[in-house]
Amino acid sequence: EADIYQTPRYLVIGTGKKITLECSQTMGHDKMYWYQQDPGMELHLIHYSYGVNSTEKGDLSSESTVSRIRTEHFPLTLESARPSHTSQYLCASRAGGGNIQYFGAGTRLSVL
Amino acid sequence: GIQVEQSPPDLILQEGANSTLRCNFSDSVNNLQWFHQNPWGQLINLFYIPSGTKQNGRLSATTVATERYSLLYISSSQTTDSGVYFCAVDLTSYGKLTFGQGTILTVHP
Repeated sequence: EADIYQTPRYLVIGTGKKITLECSQTMGHDKMYWYQQDPGMELHLIHYSYGVNSTEKGDLSSESTVSRIRTEHFPLTLESARPSHTSQYLCASRAGGGNIQYFGAGTRLSVL
Repeated sequence: GIQVEQSPPDLILQEGANSTLRCNFSDSVNNLQWFHQNPWGQLINLFYIPSGTKQNGRLSATTVATERYSLLYISSSQTTDSGVYFCAVDLTSYGKLTFGQGTILTVHP
């Protein structure tokens, strides 16, 4: 499996807080993705990036934002967290010419 | 958008039994992956299989692209096989995966 890391693994915060979920990969992959997964449900793509300074919104609308300043780093930010943001967020990456997408362990976010 | 349907939604087995999971998709795809999500939420890649047949130990997968379905076979199941199995497809070559609803597999000792 690939080396892709997400921190924190678990986060419980109050409404209105600003949070950043970290995602890093050490494989030099060009393409990176964020998926959202509600409990017991399938994953939905919310953001993706094809390289440095490239970010696009996915199929599922999300109030979060992302940035890609370095190849290995793809953080996700919520400016003002709400209970509706409670979910698991999974980061993934793929080599530019490759086909297999590798996932991090995920961040379980709970907004009270 | 593309529709991905998995069946059965739930499957309960005794250790040692065999099983077949199915994934139907509504359009031609460039990429199809099978994943296992363990109880801690980690998604493990099992197969990249847009067409053909592959085997890895007790697991094998077959995709018939012309008929728009894929099958995942688990033989001699073990309790560690428990979890959720997802099929995910990509219409493009950009890795924008669309996931099925998953099959929840429970293997009892």
